[in-house]
Amino acid sequence: SQTIHQWPATLVQPVGSPLSLECTVEGTSNPNLYWYRQAAGRGLQLLFYSVGIGQISSEVPQNLSASRPQDRQFILSSKKLLLSDSGFYLCAWSVQPPYTQYFGPGTRLTVL
Amino acid sequence: QQQVKQSPQSLIVQKGGISIINCAYENTAFDYFPWYQQFPGKGPALLIAIRPDVSEKKEGRFTISFNKSAKQFSLHIMDSQPGDSATYFCAADALYNQGGKLIFGQGTELSVKP
Repeated sequence: SQTIHQWPATLVQPVGSPLSLECTVEGTSNPNLYWYRQAAGRGLQLLFYSVGIGQISSEVPQNLSASRPQDRQFILSSKKLLLSDSGFYLCAWSVQPPYTQYFGPGTRLTVL
Repeated sequence: QQQVKQSPQSLIVQKGGISIINCAYENTAFDYFPWYQQFPGKGPALLIAIRPDVSEKKEGRFTISFNKSAKQFSLHIMDSQPGDSATYFCAADALYNQGGKLIFGQGTELSVKP
């Protein structure tokens, strides 16, 4: 069966510090991968999605970036965090039509 | 045209009652409509999904009703229970145009009172 992991589960970082969040998927090959941000416990904002290694599409211009160094690994990064980067970051994967997305447990990021 | 509008933003229902959440869309290319359930501090989980070739799909106490001509779909939770208290998201995708980019509604926070 497929499993998705995210770490860390929680993170508190000062403004201006770098960020690296990691997501890995097990039990499937060549998945589509997604990063979402959820602010104030409500709406899901798609940040990046990837259909293959090295293929990243950015949905929202901001100080975040994403990379996919391996087939089942997706990394969200920032060089300098802003207060507005605080939120709940979710990774998701999907394969084949209907491309149902399966979400990871999330990372709660607080920028102080 | 890419939006999915969800209502209400919050809903309070008594135990045993029916919870109804509505979504509307504009893009006629959408052909896959999933609903997700999210508990506090957790990632959303797929609850039920429908394709436009059927008008209704039922799984246990959860039913999706789909009206293609009105471009609307809704989630009905029968015999609502306190354990159903969560945030619910509708979503839509155009499988053969976009391939996996879900457009989410803004969410409905459901509270079921005992």
